[in-house]
Amino acid sequence: SQQGEEDPQALSIQEGENATMNCSYKTSINNLQWYRQNSGRGLVHLILIRSNEREKHSGRLRVTLDTSKKSSSLLITASRAADTASYFCATASSYGNNRLAFGKGNQVVVIP
Amino acid sequence: DAGVIQSPRHEVTEMGQEVTLRCKPISGHNSLFWYRQTMMRGLELLIYFNNNVPIDDSGMPEDRFSAKMPNASFSTLKIQPSEPRDSAVYFCASGQQGADEKLFFGSGTQLSVL
Repeated sequence: SQQGEEDPQALSIQEGENATMNCSYKTSINNLQWYRQNSGRGLVHLILIRSNEREKHSGRLRVTLDTSKKSSSLLITASRAADTASYFCATASSYGNNRLAFGKGNQVVVIP
Repeated sequence: DAGVIQSPRHEVTEMGQEVTLRCKPISGHNSLFWYRQTMMRGLELLIYFNNNVPIDDSGMPEDRFSAKMPNASFSTLKIQPSEPRDSAVYFCASGQQGADEKLFFGSGTQLSVL
């Protein structure tokens, strides 16, 4: 089964800077989603991009999708200390049941 | 809506004991997922239900693990007997099945098997 893989694994930035994370996957997808997980909490859905979309925005989040390269990126602009969390990409396969496959996560630390 | 509710929040038990984790999905959602999260293996899908019916339990590690969903508002994950390697955070998530299904996660149960 396919699985999203985030890169880089860990990122430490100053407040106000932008944070960029990448995700790669292996097979055909219907959509790709990004989730955030704060320490000790469950994952929270951030944004979904469909396979026929190339870019999507939501507040300070910008997601791109390149299906030819099977990759996606998540950009958080003007980061805040509250953005400190782990970020996961998840892919919904276009084969069969459409259930999500999660990557291993990307730890982001925003230093005030 | 209160979101996905899991209980207990923390569970500490001794090896060999039975452990039951509980989940109440968001009202109106028709799919429910159980995940396990560890540092080593990340987030693993154990089993998922659609309309209360188990669809895929291929992620359940062993026969010691079982899950039920007797109705649309309740699900359990049972481990019997428990082992130290079962120590992890167990998440329940629910969603509305469809092409753009998004999952809503509970706060998880931190399980420690001594």
